[in-house]
Parts: sequence; structure tokens; C-alpha cells
Amino acid sequence: GNSVTQMEGPVTLSEEAFLTINCTYTATGYPSLFWYVQYPGEGLQLLLKATKADDKGSNKGFEATYRKETTSFHLEKGSVQVSDSAVYFCVLNFYNQGGKLIFGQGTELSVKP
Amino acid sequence: DTGVSQNPRHKITKRGQNVTFRCDPISEHNRLYWYRQTLGQGPEFLTYFQNEAQLEKSRLLSDRFSAERPKGSFSTLEIQRTEQGDSAMYLCASSSSRTSYEQYFGPGTRLTVT
Repeated sequence: GNSVTQMEGPVTLSEEAFLTINCTYTATGYPSLFWYVQYPGEGLQLLLKATKADDKGSNKGFEATYRKETTSFHLEKGSVQVSDSAVYFCVLNFYNQGGKLIFGQGTELSVKP
Repeated sequence: DTGVSQNPRHKITKRGQNVTFRCDPISEHNRLYWYRQTLGQGPEFLTYFQNEAQLEKSRLLSDRFSAERPKGSFSTLEIQRTEQGDSAMYLCASSSSRTSYEQYFGPGTRLTVT
């Protein structure tokens, strides 16, 4: 079946450190890939997306590249801030299957000043 | 555009009681989704509607769960004879072809079954 695996958290970094959160997926077909973020006390928000192989999604300094050959969609940011502390979810979606989202288990990021 | 709203935000109930949650999607969003999130896990799909038609239900949605979207606008999710394992955050999302079916999530309803 279709599934997403993320690196386990929590991840604790100092401000301005480099961030990588690994994500790999298993899918039959060609899904779209997303990163959603859940800030403390807030609802889920779309952070970035990529709809086909080799696409790079980017937003707020975060980037992720859809790698079909390695079935991966790793999230990166060059310099994290305290305000980036949140839970990050890697997600896949098949539009032609109704668009339901399949989430990874989430990775909690804590950035210390 | 006021976003997706959900009521109540918190619900505490005794085992065996029935509960109903409401979701109001973004205006004119024709798709509406329900997900369940337990502590430390990612949300899991429960069901979705396109307009008033319920097009898919997850195997997670036991016979005790029912969802409706009678006029293609707001939706309700009812859980009958609640069990402690039903304790979770219930999330609603809506989407539209106008925004490439990006799903916008509400704040969730946290259910605690005692």
C-alpha cells in the first residue's frame, strides 16, 4: 500500500543550524508530495509541495526535491529560527483517488536560541 | 474567507455516550475531509465528501461512526457508543478545484472519552 516514513524526532537544533528531515515514501503510481507543518496550538498548514519528479518545492526558506529514483522528499533549511519549532509532516496524495492525504508520523523540531 | 471552523474544540464524554462534531468548510469548497490524529502520530484519513456525496470511507470508520454533509456545506461526524480508543483529535479539511485541491485544515476537535 501507499505509505510515508519520516525520521523520528524530536530533533533539537540551535538557531542558525542546518536542518534536514528525511522522508521516504512507498506508492503505486505517481503521487504528489507535500510537507505540512503544525505550529504549537495551531492547525495544520501546507508548507510546500511538489507534483512530479524532480520538482522542487520551496517556502519560507524550506526546500524539498521530489526524487523518484530514491522515493524521497527530504525537507531542508539552511538556517533555522526559533520560530520554526513545530511538528513537520511528510504527506503524499493521489488526486485521481479523491485527494485524500497520507501522512507520515511527524517529526517534532525544537530550535533553541 | 474565514477558514475552516470546527465545533466544539474540546469534548469530554463518558464511555458509551454519543457525540457529534461539526465542521464548517471554507465557503464554496466542494470537497470536505475528516481525519483522526492520535498523540504522536500523523492524521489518518476517515472519509470525504464531494458536495453532499460521501465518496470514500476508510476501514478505520467503524459502524459506530457516521458522517453527513446534507446540503453540501457543513458536515457532521457522529460517534455512537464511544470507547476510550476513540479519544483523539478529529480534523476537518476542505478543498476546491480553484486552489488545485489544496486542503485547508480546521483547528480540530479534541475528544476525550473517560
